[in-house]
Amino acid sequence: DGGITQSPKYLFRKEGQNVTLSCEQNLNHDAMYWYRQDPGQGLRLIYYSQIVNDFQKGDIAEGYSVSREKKESFPLTVTSAQKNPTAFYLCATSNRGLNGYTFGSGTRLTVV
Amino acid sequence: AQRVTQPEKLLSVFKGAPVELKCNYSYSGSPELFWYVQYSRQRLQLLLRHISRESIKGFTADLNKGETSFHLKKPFAQEEDSAMYYCALNAGGTSYGKLTFGQGTILTVHP
Repeated sequence: DGGITQSPKYLFRKEGQNVTLSCEQNLNHDAMYWYRQDPGQGLRLIYYSQIVNDFQKGDIAEGYSVSREKKESFPLTVTSAQKNPTAFYLCATSNRGLNGYTFGSGTRLTVV
Repeated sequence: AQRVTQPEKLLSVFKGAPVELKCNYSYSGSPELFWYVQYSRQRLQLLLRHISRESIKGFTADLNKGETSFHLKKPFAQEEDSAMYYCALNAGGTSYGKLTFGQGTILTVHP
């Protein structure tokens, strides 16, 4: 099961803590994306990066931060400023030709 | 700004019946449209793209620019089609590669 690896699968966070979700890819894709999946709301874009050392805010970037120091990695930090962080987080990649996205298996974050 | 609307949160049909999952979009340019599917306990995966005009697992979707729709259809539903389906749009330009997703439709095919 190669391609995109998201870790951990499940993550529990106490209120006020920052947590970092990992996304690693071996597809040699230029672009990487973070989406949040909530019931009834579909997938909403948090951040995306189309090239190393560059990233853009998506529709719901507040309370999140990212970095893209390597082509293979695009970690997402959920900060204490994110008011409702409990959700399922999906990482995706695509190549320039856009043959669709390849998705990771996701991380379920729960605030306790 | 682009938007994708899937008006049905839930859709139930019986095995062998035709099924249509609706998708409407708003975008002033020429969009690229996709359908993604998420089976139980599996990753979200690409089902089909309008640009390739292919049929996957018996599903087809035609882009109707006049009605701004990209409905997903299958003439005879199977139980294994039960899944969450997402319609998605790529606006292109400086947003190239960035997909906007609809809210999703859960399809249940009863035996």
